[in-house]
Formats: sequence, structure tokens, C-alpha cells
Amino acid sequence: DAGVTQSPTHLIKTRGQQVTLRCSPKSGHDTVSWYQQALGQGPQFIFQYYEEEERQRGNFPDRFSGHQFPNYSSELNVNALLLGDSALYLCASRLQGTEAFFGQGTRLTVV
Amino acid sequence: AQTVTQSQPEMSVQEAETVTLSCTYDTSESDYYLFWYKQPPSRQMILVIRQEAYKQQNATENRFSVNFQKAAKSFSLKISDSQLGDAAMYFCAYRSLLTSGTYKYIFGTGTRLKVLA
Repeated sequence: DAGVTQSPTHLIKTRGQQVTLRCSPKSGHDTVSWYQQALGQGPQFIFQYYEEEERQRGNFPDRFSGHQFPNYSSELNVNALLLGDSALYLCASRLQGTEAFFGQGTRLTVV
Repeated sequence: AQTVTQSQPEMSVQEAETVTLSCTYDTSESDYYLFWYKQPPSRQMILVIRQEAYKQQNATENRFSVNFQKAAKSFSLKISDSQLGDAAMYFCAYRSLLTSGTYKYIFGTGTRLKVLA
């Protein structure tokens, strides 16, 4: 079992650009959540997807959007990138009613 | 809103010794879960231990144990016989039940644990 897989592992973008991060959940998991972890901080909840719908959203602007596909994989999109969007983005997957497994994250640097 | 506070940015422990990491939280809910996660340089969050709020007995996983004080809203992690591989960031987390029936994790700011040989 490959666990939760995120891609890419690192990327660098310029202010104003758009970025897409990808997550493949652990086998058997149907729910995917995204977290933003700024340097020196704990992860903060962005949103959660289940049955291809956004089920809950944290305190993040509309520039942050997502999608879940029929195979349960998910994408996180961020538009109009700001320097403050530089962070580690973590994906967590789980089966309803169980605890989450986290991926190794995507390190996004905005310059 | 729920909050999680870790007041120790960094802790050091001698190999084979015992160390305690502190965590306090605030919530108005009566039913919830608390966790300690370990984040090594590989960046992956690894579940160390879990505590259900309705259980009075403190959780234990091998060398890791917690001191859960519900009334005081305190949840500390004790690591016994510390090993070099225990060096990492440790995050205290609260699992909040969302209105949709799903849930999210609320994390503290973390404690960096250094293990000295």
C-alpha cells in the first residue's frame, strides 16, 4: 500500500500565477482533506472532499479551490498566488469514521 | 471556536531519559478526540497516540503515554526511554466534529524535540 501520495514534492511559482497540487488517497479511503502548514506553524484546515463534493471549508479565500474525482483522488488549486501562500500543503485521506493518514506534502514556494 | 496551544517551542532530552510535552486546548464540546502527531524531516505527519475525551483512562502506546486532564483541558505527552529516532516536531491536535458529520483536525504550533546522544 503506497499510502497517501502527493505530487509534486516541491515547486516554485511566481506571484500571480496559478498552481495545482495533486493527492492520491490511501487505498480504500474515500475522504480527502487539505491542510496548509506555514513555516513554524501547525497545519491549518483548508477544505474537505467526500463524494466529489466540498463538505466543509476552513478560513481560506476563494482563490483556494479543489476537486475530487470518481477514483477519490483530489486536486488543490490556488489562483493569483501571493507570497504568503508559500507553505507545505498536506493532504490527508480517510475512510468515513476512521482516522486520517497524511501524505508527505507539497512544498510550494512563491517568489 | 476550538484552539490548541503548545507553549514549548523546543525541548531537549538526553537519550534514554523521559520528557514531557505540554498541550492545552479550549472547546465547548463534550465529545472529541485528542492526538499527538510526530512530523520528522520527511514531513509526513505520523500518528503517535490518540485519546477519546469520554475515556478517563490515559492512553498508552509502548514508550508514549498521555496525561489527559479533561477539566483542566490539558493533554501532555510523555516519552519514556527517549531514542534518537524520536527527534522531530510534535503536534498536539484536536479533532473537531463538523456540522456535516465529517471532522477536521485543529493543530497546535508544535514542539521541536531534540534528543541528545
